[in-house]
Amino acid sequence: DADVTQTPRNRITKTGKRIMLECSQTKGHDRMYWYRQDPGLGLRLIYYSFDVKDINKGEISDGYSVSRQAQAKFSLSLESAIPNQTALYFCATSLGLGGRVVPETQYFGPGTRLLVL
Amino acid sequence: AQSVTQLGSHVSVSEGALVLLRCNYSSSVPPYLFWYVQYPNQGLQLLLKYTSAATLVKGINGFEAEFKKSETSFHLTKPSAHMSDAAEYFCAVGSAGGTSYGKLTFGQGTILTVHP
Repeated sequence: DADVTQTPRNRITKTGKRIMLECSQTKGHDRMYWYRQDPGLGLRLIYYSFDVKDINKGEISDGYSVSRQAQAKFSLSLESAIPNQTALYFCATSLGLGGRVVPETQYFGPGTRLLVL
Repeated sequence: AQSVTQLGSHVSVSEGALVLLRCNYSSSVPPYLFWYVQYPNQGLQLLLKYTSAATLVKGINGFEAEFKKSETSFHLTKPSAHMSDAAEYFCAVGSAGGTSYGKLTFGQGTILTVHP
């Protein structure tokens, strides 16, 4: 079984709809991240969480919100979807060693392809 | 602040030829550098990482990268390309200090095509 899973894998929605993307991990990692990938732009960080009580905005958080329901679960919501949120979304995790802030290897889920009409 | 520039959005090589994917970084503190690979319809997988130990880093599948501080570069190489190397490659930089707090900043990606 995959260590980092994302649901759904594909989603089509309409402008103005609320949508939630879910991420679960069995790696026992403390840190979780949400990225979006757009062609030619690489990956951009939306939100990240270093533990259950810690949520931080990334570089492109406008129009998104997150919830860290447990160590293993981190959900991304689009409150009112718009077409320019059409993208490939990735969840990632990293170990997190106590108070360290050293950049660690991140482990990625398979992605969710979202189309907003 | 930290940033990454990958030179060349597309690189095409023949099978058996040298693979060279270029990455330059900017960081106000000593960097941590990563190369990831993304195969079609998959997430990213770590190829290798530099964390201030040896400047020449060996990764999986025969890839390696050399950290050159004077050139602020971390280019990825493989002596002989294989058809299975066709994928998109991402360079990423992180730093333990400054305002980045352990986060990674990714480059724009380079699509590698391997011709028979």
